[in-house]
Parts: sequence; C-alpha cells; structure tokens
Amino acid sequence: DGGITQSPKYLFRKEGQNVTLSCEQNLNHDAMYWYRQDPGQGLRLIYYSQIVNDFQKGDIAEGYSVSREKKESFPLTVTSAQKNPTAFYLCASRNVRGRSGNTIYFGEGSWLTVV
Amino acid sequence: GESVGLHLPTLSVQEGDNSIINCAYSNSASDYFIWYKQESGKGPQFIIDIRSNMDKRQGQRVTVLLNKTVKHLSLQIAATQPGDSAVYFCAEKEDQAGTALIFGKGTTLSVSS
Repeated sequence: DGGITQSPKYLFRKEGQNVTLSCEQNLNHDAMYWYRQDPGQGLRLIYYSQIVNDFQKGDIAEGYSVSREKKESFPLTVTSAQKNPTAFYLCASRNVRGRSGNTIYFGEGSWLTVV
Repeated sequence: GESVGLHLPTLSVQEGDNSIINCAYSNSASDYFIWYKQESGKGPQFIIDIRSNMDKRQGQRVTVLLNKTVKHLSLQIAATQPGDSAVYFCAEKEDQAGTALIFGKGTTLSVSS
C-alpha cells in the first residue's frame, strides 16, 4: 500500500534524552513536513523539506532537528532542549507537481510522552 | 502567528441534519484552502479543497464555500452521520513554492443518533 508510515506510534522519553521519530513515504512526494499537535489544538509546523538535503524551520523549530538524506525519509529528533515535548507528532508529504500539488497527506501520528 | 481560525470550537447535530462548519482566515494572499477531518488519535484525512478562483466546490455529501470578500470558508456536510463525528480543520496556503499549510484550531463535530 502507498502511504506515509510513522513509527513508533507511542514513545516515552525521559527528561534529558533525545528521541527520533521516523517518517517514511512511498508516494514519491518531494515535500515532507512535521507538525506538532497539542490536545484540543490545531497543528503547528515544526520543519519542512521541499527537496532532498534541504529543509526549513517552521513556526516552532526550537528544540527539534531534522534531516532529509533520502526522498522517502524525513526523521524528526526531539532534543533535550525542547522543554515541553509531550504531544502528538504528525508527518505529512506533498506532491508538488500535478493537479493535487497543494494537497498534503498525513501519516497516522506518533504520541510522545515525557516521563 | 496563526492566520486561520474557526468560529466555534464545538458543534452538536442530530443524525440526518445538515452541518455547517465555519472558518475565517486573515491572509489575503492565501489562494488555496483545504478541509481535513481528524478522528481521535489519527492523522488528518483530506476531505475537499478549493482554489481562490472558485467560490463553491462539491464532493460526496460535502460542499465547500469560499467568500474571499470577507475571508470566510465553510464546510457543509449533508445528512450528517455518526461516522462524521470528528475534529474538522481548515487550512490555507499561498500558491508559491516553499510555503506550507497553516491550520486553524479545529471544530469538534458531535453527531447524535
């Protein structure tokens, strides 16, 4: 099946630890995104990447880092510098070409909890 | 800052009624809008989109209306069903390379039988 796969679904982190959330897509999409969602809130953009080896900060990039070494992969690292990391993290991708070039498709999300 | 918002955080309807979910946006340069549906614990699902050169677009049981004069977007769901219960988000985007979707806070739709 084609789609966006996020893992793990649930992750617990101790304070002071870095953790990495995986996002893989087999849709051949050029652009990929990471959003954070807090309970009862909308989605806030953390980082996005339009092409391989290039990425830009979103609205809340502090305490996060990303890499885009391959087209299909866009992992997000939540560093110890992120003071309030407990949230639902959503990865998304977009085909920048074609009639659906603006539509962003989402993965099923990863829950991160600091313990 | 956030440029997209919704008028009501919650909406409760009876099964079979029509639902209208509203959204206001503030960026005049936005020219592409999407509605997403998010069920609890899942990622948002695409429902319908509309470009700024249109004022209405219909899908299966859903219609999106765009009023650029007052920067208002609405999602109409016909014959609402219990399976429509979810959080609905509108999102906007400028049609230029390098820009991302901006989301509002969402409206929770509750459908009772």
